[in-house]
Amino acid sequence: AQSVTQLGSHVSVSEGALVLLRCNYSSSVPPYLFWYVQYPNQGLQLLLKYTSAATLVKGINGFEAEFKKSETSFHLTKPSAHMSDAAEYFCAVSDLSGGSNYKLTFGKGTLLTVNP
Amino acid sequence: KAGVTQTPRYLIKTRGQQVTLSCSPISGHRSVSWYQQTPGQGLQFLFEYFSETQRNKGNFPGRFSGRQFSNSRSEMNVSTLELGDSALYLCASSLRLGNYGYTFGSGTRLTVV
Repeated sequence: AQSVTQLGSHVSVSEGALVLLRCNYSSSVPPYLFWYVQYPNQGLQLLLKYTSAATLVKGINGFEAEFKKSETSFHLTKPSAHMSDAAEYFCAVSDLSGGSNYKLTFGKGTLLTVNP
Repeated sequence: KAGVTQTPRYLIKTRGQQVTLSCSPISGHRSVSWYQQTPGQGLQFLFEYFSETQRNKGNFPGRFSGRQFSNSRSEMNVSTLELGDSALYLCASSLRLGNYGYTFGSGTRLTVV
């Protein structure tokens, strides 16, 4: 069975500071990994995805994430935070450990606050 | 091109009633999935449809059902509503089955009173 742990339900950074959101996964087979962002009263927007190609994945809005198999991690980073980055971020994993089930298993989410 | 469209955006229902939510996927997308989002349980998978067939189902009671039409539009139905069914219901579409990434709609906020 697959699972996702996001360390820190709330992360607060200053504008211009590094953003680091942590995600660890558990999967018995090679996973596909995703980061989504959710703004208030909206759905989820895909930031980036890892599908077994390059381990460093670049996404939209300046975000990137690195897949580290040895650490079972897929942390999300951005060099310089903007006020517009304030939102909730979800890490998700999908694999075929359940057969043909491509469902996404999500972490609990990390609320990012950006202070001026 | 148009994104995933969910209607209605907001619903208020009474305990014991039933409700139907609608999802129109991105044009050309044939896979539609549904997720429930609550503060306590987070995002949980309900079911996935592809080519009008339910391919996968999450751990929800039989009161939760869905279907997909030949134009890939999907509906989900919840019967005998309970207070705990209050949630944001998100629909996501994908080009086809597989790990290609899902595009989510803005959701339907269901409140059961």
